[in-house]
Amino acid sequence: QKEVEQNSGPLSVPEGAIASLNCTYSDRGSQSFFWYRQYSGKSPELIMSIYSNGDKEDGRFTAQLNKASQYVSLLIRDSQPSDSATYLCAVNKEGGYNKLIFGAGTRLAVHP
Amino acid sequence: EAGVTQSPTHLIKTRGQQATLRCSPISGHTSVYWYQQALGLGLQFLLWYDEGEERNRGNFPPRFSGRQFPNYSSELNVNALELEDSALYLCASSSNTGDRHGELFFGEGSRLTVL
Repeated sequence: QKEVEQNSGPLSVPEGAIASLNCTYSDRGSQSFFWYRQYSGKSPELIMSIYSNGDKEDGRFTAQLNKASQYVSLLIRDSQPSDSATYLCAVNKEGGYNKLIFGAGTRLAVHP
Repeated sequence: EAGVTQSPTHLIKTRGQQATLRCSPISGHTSVYWYQQALGLGLQFLLWYDEGEERNRGNFPPRFSGRQFPNYSSELNVNALELEDSALYLCASSSNTGDRHGELFFGEGSRLTVL
């Protein structure tokens, strides 16, 4: 079982729709969770972080965390073609380990 | 404010040679991370340095090593290069405070090609 699992996609959504990206993780000791966006040929950039159960909203992005189900998701409202990228879920186990583990990423394609 | 800078941008080596990659973190960041991203694969954790010490390493052989200097810059050394070491090597830095360990800022990467 991979430590962080994501559907590789591509996830194709029309412009203006909600894109839903999902991620599961295996280590119950994980404490902090992140979503990074990586455009083709570029390096990853942080878009959301979430540390406690529930929802966290930032503009068009909402991160959702359910530690009991070991599940984290990212919703992108009003999707734009510029959102087309690979979205990487990352999970960190604290306590000195500080090894941020990335999923393989989900490719999102927003079409006009 | 300058971001994370990496050099060289591209590097071509042959099997058995050594490669050295360099990274300068964002000013004020003490933690430096190295990741390998092979073509079509996800980011694989290599090494974490903080305050000049190696704090954690991923599942890579010992020929992958590095160090962090007093100014918090870092270098990654790969000895006895193999063809499968061809990849994009990403350096990231973070502020080592509170929950911000996972909030990484990445450089543009160094692409290593092993022939």
